[in-house]
Amino acid sequence: SYELTQPPSVSVSPGQTGSITCSGDKLGDKFACWYQQKPGQSPVMVIYQDNKRPSGIPERFSGSNSGNTATLTISETQAMDEADYYCQAWDSSTAVFGGGTKLTVL
Amino acid sequence: EVQLVESGGGLVQPGGSLRLSCAASGFTFSTYWMHWVRQAPGKGLVWVSRINTDGVSTTYADSVKGRFTVSRDNARNTLFLQMNSLRAEDTAVYFCARVGAGTFAIDYWGQGTLVTVSS
Repeated sequence: SYELTQPPSVSVSPGQTGSITCSGDKLGDKFACWYQQKPGQSPVMVIYQDNKRPSGIPERFSGSNSGNTATLTISETQAMDEADYYCQAWDSSTAVFGGGTKLTVL
Repeated sequence: EVQLVESGGGLVQPGGSLRLSCAASGFTFSTYWMHWVRQAPGKGLVWVSRINTDGVSTTYADSVKGRFTVSRDNARNTLFLQMNSLRAEDTAVYFCARVGAGTFAIDYWGQGTLVTVSS
């Protein structure tokens, strides 16, 4: 079965740029999306189709996807961005999630 | 406003059954594929099942295949998940989710309903 791998944790200083990677076999051939989840809340889509931002998501969130790696980049990171982030892609009609990355802003 | 509201969760003994519901509103339910995603306490998101627009085509994760059944009632704008032969490892918050048209991503999630399998 298809698998996506994320680092368990990433730390970034306020105002700096942080990146979270998501690796999978030929992931660049698929569409990758990203979700943000804060404690006790449902996930929120922050990037879809590799690099598109839904309305209401700040411009500091961006994405890329090439080769075997998709990347979520958060520029000018704010304290409110501290959350768990999950990548997701489709394998046939099934959704595959990465294990999640805890982003700490400190 | 799009809303997905799950219900039906609770405490059930191992081997027992539970039926989850997801009431949809604010969009034309019958035109969207729908999914169930679960999250065990303190763990990550795991896809469970999906159903196409008319309910004819369904797919399941290997971990629930043969035990869970997804269905929908387009007249009542409701998604269901019938869960049988429940195991302790099925303990999780279950989210109802919609894949946005043309986005290839889940654009709306419900608030989730907690299922606890324990004796």
